[in-house]
Amino acid sequence: AQKVTQAQTEISVVEKEDVTLDCVYETRDTTYYLFWYKQPPSGELVFLIRRNSFDEQNEISGRYSWNFQKSTSSFNFTITASQVVDSAVYFCALSDYKLSFGAGTTVTVRA
Amino acid sequence: DTAVSQTPKYLVTQMGNDKSIKCEQNLGHDTMYWYKQDSKKFLKIMFSYNNKELIINETVPNRFSPKSPDKAHLNLHINSLELGDSAVYFCASSPANGASGEQFFGPGTRLTVL
Repeated sequence: AQKVTQAQTEISVVEKEDVTLDCVYETRDTTYYLFWYKQPPSGELVFLIRRNSFDEQNEISGRYSWNFQKSTSSFNFTITASQVVDSAVYFCALSDYKLSFGAGTTVTVRA
Repeated sequence: DTAVSQTPKYLVTQMGNDKSIKCEQNLGHDTMYWYKQDSKKFLKIMFSYNNKELIINETVPNRFSPKSPDKAHLNLHINSLELGDSAVYFCASSPANGASGEQFFGPGTRLTVL
């Protein structure tokens, strides 16, 4: 069975601080995909990134960056120079034949 | 243009009633899903259809019945609603069956059972 653990329930930072969200996963499959989604207070689910299990390259997109380490089964997400608009619930998810979500981390960025 | 749409956005009803939530996607995707998000924000898959065929059916009470009239639509009918059914229900679609596709989510339907 696959499992995704987001150990941090809530993180609160002041604007311009960096924040790193941890994600640890378990799967027996050799081929799988990892995702991050953002759910702002308005409630919709916004896709941020997809990474397949054979691609361990880190990725940067603007203020967002992702660190995928297969050796530790982790797929961590960093927001650099956080802004109030980054306040949201962030979900890590793992897909083999279905998408399994972690419990989510609520990020609050204070002005 | 809305990619994945759901109606209604809000649904308030009494225990014991039967209700439906509709979902439509205009992305040309083959696979559609229903997820339930509970009050603690936990998201769990309920059903998945590929080209109108049921491919995932998680442990969901049989009061919940999905119906896919065509591959662009996946509706969710709930019989004999219970208090515990109160949640946000998300529809999603992806271009392919299986693991690789990014899933596009609808805006959600907030169901409140009184």
